Amino acid sequence: AQTVTQSQPEMSVQEAETVTLSCTYDTSESNYYLFWYKQPPSRQMILVIRQEAYKQQNATENRFSVNFQKAAKSFSLKISDSQLGDTAMYFCAFMKHTNQGAQKLVFGQGTRLTINP
Amino acid sequence: NAGVTQTPKFRILKIGQSMTLQCAQDMNHNYMYWYRQDPGMGLKLIYYSVGAGITDKGEVPNGYNVSRSTTEDFPLRLELAAPSQTSVYFCASTKPGQLGELFFGEGSRLTVL
Repeated sequence: AQTVTQSQPEMSVQEAETVTLSCTYDTSESNYYLFWYKQPPSRQMILVIRQEAYKQQNATENRFSVNFQKAAKSFSLKISDSQLGDTAMYFCAFMKHTNQGAQKLVFGQGTRLTINP
Repeated sequence: NAGVTQTPKFRILKIGQSMTLQCAQDMNHNYMYWYRQDPGMGLKLIYYSVGAGITDKGEVPNGYNVSRSTTEDFPLRLELAAPSQTSVYFCASTKPGQLGELFFGEGSRLTVL
């Protein structure tokens, strides 16, 4: 079974700073996907960024980027130039690669990030 | 766009009562999911469905039942509610090819006293 671990329950930074959230995972799969989801105080979760394990290049989405270390099974999220709207719970998640069938995600415990003005 | 709609948003139950959490999506997604989120924990998969008439257990199915009679709806039934079922419940949906991008509802906060 796959497990996802986020060791930072809470983090807090000043607006415009850069912050990195950590995530480690355990799997015997060779092909899989990793995700960071954001859950703002309104509670509706949205996808922030996705990384495919077979791609060596780290994914980026505007101010969000990841550091994917496959051998170390590490997947951190970097938020540059943080904004007040980035305040949210962030979840790291894992999904086995599948060509058919349900896409079942395994989530970490979450990191509560607060951006202070 | 409505997306994924969950009702009710809040509910208090007494031990032993039953209730149904409703979930509907208007995106014609094949796959639907129910997760629960306990304080300080990640989301745990309760049940999922790959299409109308097809459901399967997730990681924590005990105490719950689901049905999927239409593509749009995926209700979650709690029978004989217990305090351990106090949680926030999320419904989500997606379709083949979305590569793990799930679309979530706003959640239903359930308290069992």
